Amino acid sequence: GAGVSQSPSNKVTEKGKDVELRCDPISGHTALYWYRQSLGQGLEFLIYFQGNSAPDKSGLPSDRFSAERTGGSVSTLTIQRTQQEDSAVYLCASSSVGDTQYFGPGTRLTVL
Amino acid sequence: AQRVTQPEKLLSVFKGAPVELKCNYSYSGSPELFWYVQYSRQRLQLLLRHISRESIKGFTADLNKGETSFHLKKPFAQEEDSAMYYCALRGITGTASKLTFGTGTRLQVTL
Repeated sequence: GAGVSQSPSNKVTEKGKDVELRCDPISGHTALYWYRQSLGQGLEFLIYFQGNSAPDKSGLPSDRFSAERTGGSVSTLTIQRTQQEDSAVYLCASSSVGDTQYFGPGTRLTVL
Repeated sequence: AQRVTQPEKLLSVFKGAPVELKCNYSYSGSPELFWYVQYSRQRLQLLLRHISRESIKGFTADLNKGETSFHLKKPFAQEEDSAMYYCALRGITGTASKLTFGTGTRLQVTL
């Protein structure tokens, strides 16, 4: 079936603007994860959803970052008042509980 | 705290030579270890996980709890192995389902 999809694939925004990144997980996967891939930093965990609730938000770097998941499916990561250090590739992954995480293609965010 | 260390940013080997990508971890419990691979212009994908004890595309990795290592090995490198390789750890207690990644090693296989 279809894999994890993310939109947009690329986003260029100006410093101070808000952005929304979307993730469509694999159908039936109850767990959804957001990670950030910055140059030289590797992949950092941001937040994990089980169904619609987020038992682990420990990786969100500041209160400008938030995420929600509705209907146990689509998730949106919102970054308010973007800063240049937010520039990165944002990756979404989904899995059945305790199983392999399957990754999406990512959204490349550039903050000018 | 959990941490994964990949000491090499770049590993360059000749085709047919053996490959070893190093990974060391720090975790207080019993972790689950993974290797993920990202080929050029493709998404991150699972290569292998220690509990499966499989060989995928000729690669193997053995979890050494004494040395806290999970090195990735292949006896004869192929050109198509050129990619970015990430070692990752998942704690298996509580809600610790997140993956903690190393910073990655770029493998370059040349003729």
